[in-house]
Amino acid sequence: SQQGEEDPQALSIQEGENATMNCSYKTSINNLQWYRQNSGRGLVHLILIRSNEREKHSGRLRVTLDTSKKSSSLLITASRAADTASYFCRTSGSRLTFGEGTQLTVNP
Amino acid sequence: KAGVTQTPRYLIKTRGQQVTLSCSPISGHRSVSWYQQTPGQGLQFLFEYFSETQRNKGNFPGRFSGRQFSNSRSEMNVSTLELGDSALYLCASSLESTSYNEQFFGPGTRLTVL
Repeated sequence: SQQGEEDPQALSIQEGENATMNCSYKTSINNLQWYRQNSGRGLVHLILIRSNEREKHSGRLRVTLDTSKKSSSLLITASRAADTASYFCRTSGSRLTFGEGTQLTVNP
Repeated sequence: KAGVTQTPRYLIKTRGQQVTLSCSPISGHRSVSWYQQTPGQGLQFLFEYFSETQRNKGNFPGRFSGRQFSNSRSEMNVSTLELGDSALYLCASSLESTSYNEQFFGPGTRLTVL
């Protein structure tokens, strides 16, 4: 499918550790976007990386994109309990569909 | 700038009834998308409206419909409710009708069908 697929499905870490989640896709893209969803709420756009970019930073977030492998990674450094949420990726060719997401739990 | 608003936030209906949910996009945004989120099926795309026209549609039965008004506000309607329609319904707006753009989501409407 065109949509991004996140991996792993679930991730549990301790506060202060780094969290890495991955997104794979199948078609060529213009950009890839990461979103966060806190339980029972709407999604929040985190970061957009274009196909000609390899890495992008925003605060404690670092996103990489490897178009040759059709994959992206989201790294959250020095995680906090407030980072507990589901994380989704969406590609520009996804017709607005999302994957299953990665459920991140940060334990205090 | 005000965010995306959805009304009502919570709704309880019984099987067979119909429901209308409303979404007001961010001012200046012309695209509104709707999603259904359930624990079992994840986040499912329903449809997208742009300039009062449905541009994309997900794989949902005809009981699910929507429309967009000239001020970009959108409504979605679900007729003949089933228990499986219980879900969080999210709407998102973006500047243009293209998946290239970032989406801004509302807080959702939690629908419970009894």
